[in-house]
Amino acid sequence: ETGVTQTPRHLVMGMTNKKSLKCEQHLGHNAMYWYKQSAKKPLELMFVYNFKEQTENNSVPSRFSPECPNSSHLFLHLHTLQPEDSALYLCASSQVDRAPEAFFGQGTRLTVV
Amino acid sequence: DQQVKQNSPSLSVQEGRISILNCDYTNSMFDYFLWYKKYPAEGPTFLISISSIKDKNEDGRFTVFLNKSAKHLSLHIVPSQPGDSAVYFCAASDPLNTGNQFYFGTGTSLTVIP
Repeated sequence: ETGVTQTPRHLVMGMTNKKSLKCEQHLGHNAMYWYKQSAKKPLELMFVYNFKEQTENNSVPSRFSPECPNSSHLFLHLHTLQPEDSALYLCASSQVDRAPEAFFGQGTRLTVV
Repeated sequence: DQQVKQNSPSLSVQEGRISILNCDYTNSMFDYFLWYKKYPAEGPTFLISISSIKDKNEDGRFTVFLNKSAKHLSLHIVPSQPGDSAVYFCAASDPLNTGNQFYFGTGTSLTVIP
């Protein structure tokens, strides 16, 4: 098992669809993150969960809704997205009381049509 | 406003030579810095880090240098190998004030020519 696993790897959805991205970490970490990577832009932090509690929401539109049922799983629920939301969505985890480096999953390439 | 900047979008280096990737930051409160490497269709992979109490950290062929007064860090890869061809991101954090939020640069695409 790799450290951080994301499914699906690729997703094409219409603007009226509802879909969810899933992330699972097998590293025993206590923090999980959603990042968005658009072309020519830095990775943008979307949400942070520490010990299953959401601690950061960086002005993300409500059409993105995170869920963290336990410290190993993180979801990003998507509904009524726009074409400009097409991007690579990356999940990461870290152990906040030790070294702060985050470990990333392989990402979900999302295309909104 | 972007707090971490990588001003060179791309870099080409001959195999065996040194690759130097640069990163500048604006927030003097940053005290932990990281470099990530990313291949196409994969997530970023942690490479090396440095805390603000140090000015150099070395791990095999990879060395990170930190110049706090200039708010500049660099990643040296020597000798460069074709497998090092990837996009390199630098990142910074300010745990005291912004917790475990990382600020990333836009990346530098390194090509090592065989």
